[in-house]
Amino acid sequence: EVQLLESEGGLVQPGGSLRLSCAASGFTFSSFAMSWVRQAPGKGLEWVSAISSSGSTTYYAGPVQGRFTISRDSSKNTLYLQMNSLRADDTAVYYCAKGEARNADAYSDYWGQGTLVTVSS
Amino acid sequence: QLVLTQSPSASASLGASVKLTCTLSSGHNSYAIAWHQQQPEKGPRYLMKVNSDGSHIKGDGIPDRFSGSSSRAERYLTISSLQSEDEADYYCQTWGSGIQVFGGGTKLTVL
Repeated sequence: EVQLLESEGGLVQPGGSLRLSCAASGFTFSSFAMSWVRQAPGKGLEWVSAISSSGSTTYYAGPVQGRFTISRDSSKNTLYLQMNSLRADDTAVYYCAKGEARNADAYSDYWGQGTLVTVSS
Repeated sequence: QLVLTQSPSASASLGASVKLTCTLSSGHNSYAIAWHQQQPEKGPRYLMKVNSDGSHIKGDGIPDRFSGSSSRAERYLTISSLQSEDEADYYCQTWGSGIQVFGGGTKLTVL
């Protein structure tokens, strides 16, 4: 059974940093791309970032480009999202999602339960 | 620009059928999309991928009541024999050239 378990989010001050992690199990982690998708309170889904199975290719949505960094550690079956220079509009539930292929340009076929990140002073 | 458009809301009666629509922006008729369901207070769940030719690939454990189809720039999700647990938000997703895009979602109410 595929399982994706995000680390606990939390409250961060504007301008602060936070690293999310996602522990994956139930599939060969190193063979699939992974993504982060977020959902602001009461809003729809917004793609944030994706990484290929090897980690060699990464993509970012415009609003987070230059502030967020996606990475993965296949020895730990873990996906990461380093978030810097956080702003109030980054407040959202962040979901980890498994890609359906090695290529980072792919849709998601499994999702985590999400973790809430609140950016506020 | 790659954009997906969904109606904000839809409703249908218990036991009936409903067809949700996701429209691709101009010039993107050949793109496949994925449908995801998000029940209240839960994370999304992948339902199926729908190709431009109407073929679809369902996720694990998705009932036969859920099916997909296509026509030109439109991708459809049909749910038959509606059940109360089908009341949820439904999102379409597409991808290409290093980006992923979600539609705004359709909130389905089962009457």
